[in-house]
Amino acid sequence: GNSVTQMEGPVTLSEEAFLTINCTYTATGYPSLFWYVQYPGEGLQLLLKATKADDKGSNKGFEATYRKETTSFHLEKGSVQVSDSAVYFCAPSRQAGTALIFGKGTTLSVSS
Amino acid sequence: DGGITQSPKYLFRKEGQNVTLSCEQNLNHDAMYWYRQDPGQGLRLIYYSQIVNDFQKGDIAEGYSVSREKKESFPLTVTSAQKNPTAFYLCASMGAAGGRGTEAFFGQGTRLTVV
Repeated sequence: GNSVTQMEGPVTLSEEAFLTINCTYTATGYPSLFWYVQYPGEGLQLLLKATKADDKGSNKGFEATYRKETTSFHLEKGSVQVSDSAVYFCAPSRQAGTALIFGKGTTLSVSS
Repeated sequence: DGGITQSPKYLFRKEGQNVTLSCEQNLNHDAMYWYRQDPGQGLRLIYYSQIVNDFQKGDIAEGYSVSREKKESFPLTVTSAQKNPTAFYLCASMGAAGGRGTEAFFGQGTRLTVV
């Protein structure tokens, strides 16, 4: 089955700092890779995704590259904002109907 | 608008009572999921269903039950056998037709508190 390891949080940064949240996975087959974000008191929503090796997903200034050789999908942003404060989850996925597993989540707190 | 709806948003239960959390989607998705979220524990999979009238246990199914009588609905019952039910519960759905890159859609969650 799939499993995910995310860097432990919380991550505390000042506004405009550079962000990296590490994610490595183990999976049978060749999964698609996703980052989801959860704002306080809400459900998760898709942040970005990549479906094949060397693909780069991007959205709202966040980026992540599918590295098959290192089984990693690290999330980066060049300049974080206070509004980026949330919990971020990494998830590999093969197809609907199989068990969908998430990492433990990394809490990001950005101060002005 | 299509989406996934959980109700209620907040739920209080007395010890020893069963309680059912609702999850409805109008996205025409085949797969549906229930997760439990506790501080510092991430999302833990309780049950999931690929099609109507079929479901599988996740990592922490003990003390929970589900049904999938309709494609749109996947209610979760927290039974009195669940020793520590206070948590935030999330429901998700995923469509099979999208193939690779298909994302999961989440409800807004139900916060269950045992009093």
